[in-house]
Parts: sequence; C-alpha cells; structure tokens
Amino acid sequence: AQSVTQPDIHITVSEGASLELRCNYSYGATPYLFWYVQSPGQGLQLLLKYFSGDTLVQGIKGFEAEFKRSQSSFNLRKPSVHWSDAAEYFCAVGAKDSSYKLIFGSGTRLLVRP
Amino acid sequence: SQTIHQWPATLVQPVGSPLSLECTVEGTSNPNLYWYRQAAGRGLQLLFYSVGIGQISSEVPQNLSASRPQDRQFILSSKKLLLSDSGFYLCAWSVDSNNEQFFGPGTRLTVL
Repeated sequence: AQSVTQPDIHITVSEGASLELRCNYSYGATPYLFWYVQSPGQGLQLLLKYFSGDTLVQGIKGFEAEFKRSQSSFNLRKPSVHWSDAAEYFCAVGAKDSSYKLIFGSGTRLLVRP
Repeated sequence: SQTIHQWPATLVQPVGSPLSLECTVEGTSNPNLYWYRQAAGRGLQLLFYSVGIGQISSEVPQNLSASRPQDRQFILSSKKLLLSDSGFYLCAWSVDSNNEQFFGPGTRLTVL
C-alpha cells in the first residue's frame, strides 16, 4: 500500500538559514509527488509537483524538491528561509487508480526564528 | 479560472445537532471532489471522494455522509454531531489523472 512519511513533526530554523524538509514514500511504480503548504486557518496551497522527467523540481516561493528514486525520497528545500515561510508543510503521493486520491504525510510544522 | 468555495467559514454547533457543509467549484466540468478533515494538530484525513454526480466513496466509517447533487457541488452532512466531529473541513477538486488537487479555504467546525 502507498504511504508517505514525514519524519519531522516540527522544525525550527533561523530566518535566512537554509531549509530541508524530509519526505519518504512507499510506492511500487514511479509516483506523482506533491508538496503543499498550509498557513494557520487556511486551505492548502500547492508548492510544487513531480510527474516525470527532471528530478529537480522548482516551485513557487523559491522552493525546490528533488526526487530520488533510490532513496524513495522527495525532500523540499529552500536556500534562505523568510519569516513568512512559517507554516505547515505536507508531502503527498498520488494514488494511480480511478479515485485519483492523494496520500498525505502527517505534516511538518516550520517555525522561523527572527 | 477555476475557484472553489466553502461555506460556512466557521460553525459552532451543539452535540446532537445536524450538519450541512457545502462546497462548490466554478470554472471546470466533471471534477473529482474530495472532503478532508483535520483534527487539531493532526494531518489530513480523507473522508469522502466523488468522481461523478451521485457517486460517493467513503474512506472512513463514521456518522458523516456526503452527497453530490450537481456536477460541481459536494455536500458533507451529519444527522447528529459528536464532539469528535470538531475540526477543520477541507474540500478539494481535481480534473486530471495526475492527482493534482486544489483546495478550498476550509470550514472550522466546533461541536460543543
């Protein structure tokens, strides 16, 4: 069965520091992979997605993620974090059946120190 | 462009009362529709999804139900709310087979 693991529940970084949020998935074939961000009390916004091709994917707000098949990972990175990046981040894998569901990880809450 | 609406934005209901949350999508046809719930400090739990009018699939057995009376309308209901139904309810849609979903603003439900 498909699953997504985000091993870090909370991460705190200083403003201007680099960021990496971890995501590992379990899936038998090439997955569709997503990162979403959620600010408090808001819906989810898509940051970036991977379907195929170049394994380094660029997204909005200066984020990028790299698909590594050998490690079953899709980690999210940003070279310099801004205070406005404080939010909850969700990794998801797409179910390749007729439901077109997304399987979400449990999320990582990012705190940014001034 | 496509937009998704949810209402109400917030709702406070007593235990045992009924519930109706509505989600509508504009600017697209025959979307796949999804209801999720987030309990406080928890991740997203998929409750229901629908790939067409009148077609509802339930992911988790509970006292909630969903209906899709029109192509772009998705309703979440309950006859009698429980305290454990409190949470943040999110509606989402997709149209492609690549699973990309777009989320609504959510409804904050508090059951007292």
